[in-house]
This record gives sequence, C-alpha cells and structure tokens, in this order.
Amino acid sequence: DGGITQSPKYLFRKEGQNVTLSCEQNLNHDAMYWYRQDPGQGLRLIYYSQIVNDFQKGDIAEGYSVSREKKESFPLTVTSAQKNPTAFYLCASSIRDRGGNQPQHFGDGTRLSIL
Amino acid sequence: RKEVEQDPGPFNVPEGATVAFNCTYSNSASQSFFWYRQDCRKEPKLLMSVYSSGNEDGRFTAQLNRASQYISLLIRDSKLSDSATYLCVVKWDGGFKTIFGAGTRLFVKA
Repeated sequence: DGGITQSPKYLFRKEGQNVTLSCEQNLNHDAMYWYRQDPGQGLRLIYYSQIVNDFQKGDIAEGYSVSREKKESFPLTVTSAQKNPTAFYLCASSIRDRGGNQPQHFGDGTRLSIL
Repeated sequence: RKEVEQDPGPFNVPEGATVAFNCTYSNSASQSFFWYRQDCRKEPKLLMSVYSSGNEDGRFTAQLNRASQYISLLIRDSKLSDSATYLCVVKWDGGFKTIFGAGTRLFVKA
C-alpha cells in the first residue's frame, strides 16, 4: 500500500538532546512538509521541500533542521535550541504542482514530549 | 486578522441533523481550497477539495464564495461517525503557501 510512514509514534526528549523524527513516503511525491500542531491550534509549517536536495524554512523553523537526500525521505531533527518541543509533529507529501491544486496527504504523526 | 479563520465550536447536533461550517480567508489571491477531517489525536485526512462551482460528495457539500472570501461545508443527515474536527485549508502562491485553519469541532449525539 502506498502511504506516508512516520516513526516513532511517541518520542521523549531529554534536556539538551537532539532527536530525529523519521518520515518516509512511497507515493512518488516530489513535495514533502513538516508541521507542528499544538492543542487547540492549527498546523504550523516548520520546513518544506519541493525537490530532492532543496528545502525551505516555514513559519517556525527555529530550533529545527531537515535534510532531503532522497525523494522518499524527509527527516526532521528537533535540536536542543527548540525550547518548547512538546507537540504533535505531522509529515505530509503532495504532488508538486505550480497550479496549487494538489492536496497534501499526511502520515499518522509523532508525539514528542520532554522528559 | 488571521489568514484563515474558523469558528472553533463545538457544534453539538443530534443524529440526522444538517450542520454547516464557514471558513473565511484574508488573501484574495488564494487559489485552491480544501476541507480536511481530523479525529482526536490522529492525522488530518482529506475530506474534499472545494471547487468554484461548488461540489458534493454524498452527504457533504462544499461551496466557495470568492467575493466574500469564504468557503463552507454542509453535512446532511449527520452520523455519529461524523464527530471530528474539520479543518479548512487555503493555498496560494502557486501552491507553495498553504494555511490550515485551527478547525471546527463537531459532536454528533445519538
């Protein structure tokens, strides 16, 4: 089955630690995205990538880093510089379209908490 | 003013009722529009795209009003399983800019 796989489902971070969230898709989508969702709030864009080896900062990129070495993979690292990392992290992908008509499809998310 | 605004609700309706949600957007250059459904502690799932002429998918009808800059979602004959948060999504800038609303919560009661 085609889809987006995020792992782990739950993750705990210690103070001063960097952690990496995995996102893999087999939909052959060019574009991939990372969002953060806090309780009662909408999704906020962290980073996005329209093509391999290229990515752009979203609205709340500080304290996060990404890489896009393969089309299928877009890992997100939450660094120790992110002082409030507790949230629900969602990875999405879509067909890259300049017309803007293609929806994004989501993985089932990673819940990150501070120990 | 937020770029995309939704009434957070909650909307509490009995089974079989008809319920409608609106979503307003601020950017007149917005190009495409979607409704997503998000269950508690789950990922958002695409419910339907919203087309200029309006579109229907079973019990769900979506409308776009460009002049007043809002989209709407109508759910007829509500089911218990429709209980969820409904997210409005707006895209512009050739699809590179996507904004999610904070969602409207719906509870359908027996």
